[in-house]
Amino acid sequence: EAQVTQNPRYLITVTGKKLTVTCSQNMNHEYMSWYRQDPGLGLRQIYYSMNVEVTDKGDVPEGYKVSRKEKRNFPLILESPSPNQTSLYFCASSFGLSAGELFFGEGSRLTVL
Amino acid sequence: RKEVEQDPGPFNVPEGATVAFNCTYSNSASQSFFWYRQDCRKEPKLLMSVYSSGNEDGRFTAQLNRASQYISLLIRDSKLSDSATYLCVVNHYGSGNTGKLIFGQGTTLQVKP
Repeated sequence: EAQVTQNPRYLITVTGKKLTVTCSQNMNHEYMSWYRQDPGLGLRQIYYSMNVEVTDKGDVPEGYKVSRKEKRNFPLILESPSPNQTSLYFCASSFGLSAGELFFGEGSRLTVL
Repeated sequence: RKEVEQDPGPFNVPEGATVAFNCTYSNSASQSFFWYRQDCRKEPKLLMSVYSSGNEDGRFTAQLNRASQYISLLIRDSKLSDSATYLCVVNHYGSGNTGKLIFGQGTTLQVKP
């Protein structure tokens, strides 16, 4: 089954404790992206990757890191989480943006205390 | 001004009603347009692309007005299962032609019996 898998789906952590949210897709997509969704603000792009070893900042990259060592994986790293990073996070992938269709993971709800 | 703007609603309509959502975008260089559907606490999924000539998919009709820079979605004969948030998405090709998908914050539809 074609899918984008994120883990963990739910996490409560404390300020400053490093965490990684994994994202994996099995569709051989070149493009992958991370978004956060907050009430009243919609989906905002954090980082994206056009292909292996190619990553770039989105609109709200501060406090986040990513890597793309393999085509299928695109982990999101919070080196020192803060309460303002409490949010719903989505990973998404696509063959390319011209196609328009992004396939999203089920989301990861993160709470930073 | 936001790059993609939608009336957040909520739109409360009875079953069988026709409802229309509009979305405006600020960048005239935007080249492709989409409507996504997001159910509560779930990931967004592509509903339909929006073509210049307008397009229809069953009870759903999407239209694009490039001159006025707006997109619309019309839902006829609303069903309870249409209750969701509808996201307007614009693909803007900037410098470097990498493209960027910009999401509106969504319009919430609640269809009532």
